[in-house]
Amino acid sequence: QSVLTQPPSVSGAPGQRVTISCTGSSSNIGAGYDVHWYQQLPGTAPKLLIYGNSNRPSGVPDRFSGSKSGTSASLAITGLQAEDEADYYCQSYDSSLSAPFGGGTKLTVL
Amino acid sequence: QLQLQESGPGLVKPSETLSLTCTVSGGSISSSSYYWGWIRQPPGKGLEWIGSIYYSGSTYYNPSLKSRVTISVDTSKNQFSLKLSSVTAADTAVYYCALLRVHWYFDLWGRGTLVTVSS
Repeated sequence: QSVLTQPPSVSGAPGQRVTISCTGSSSNIGAGYDVHWYQQLPGTAPKLLIYGNSNRPSGVPDRFSGSKSGTSASLAITGLQAEDEADYYCQSYDSSLSAPFGGGTKLTVL
Repeated sequence: QLQLQESGPGLVKPSETLSLTCTVSGGSISSSSYYWGWIRQPPGKGLEWIGSIYYSGSTYYNPSLKSRVTISVDTSKNQFSLKLSSVTAADTAVYYCALLRVHWYFDLWGRGTLVTVSS
């Protein structure tokens, strides 16, 4: 029962485009707080993928993009590659002075 | 280049207190540009924010853990620490320390340390 809701899994074939949604509420995303995204490869620590809704840290390919609207946000991955197979998490700030994560989405590259 | 490293016991008995330390290298923990945080991940499950601290000592805790969590900072050692009291098997997880930017995103993570709660 995460504060931010993500689909448990998504999948796509190499070269395709996939999106992962993150739905919050009026106390977090809907309140105007930024959404951030992390990629966690198997057996490793999470890595910042998108910050401030749509900004990519240095080194993150432009195949990854983020957007936000209302109480939701989305991560899009274009030109899907086998190396993109990982767990993806959204995260925001909440007016309860907390930093909740979404439940995570497992991306499978078919 | 900033790096974070968690350390502490890998096994804690039920009802006892879990204690972990994160050592910051390659930069100062007293920077006004960062917060510092703890996140955990039970085996096979998602990420859970535990709490965060500013170098001045201001703390922010997950409401669901607040009654059991204490996060502190030692600027002289460039370290910050986590204490979680009255642990149960449900507290078994990989615990990560992380650097938190002022816009509340986790910019840099430690490698994580597995803590198992078992008698």
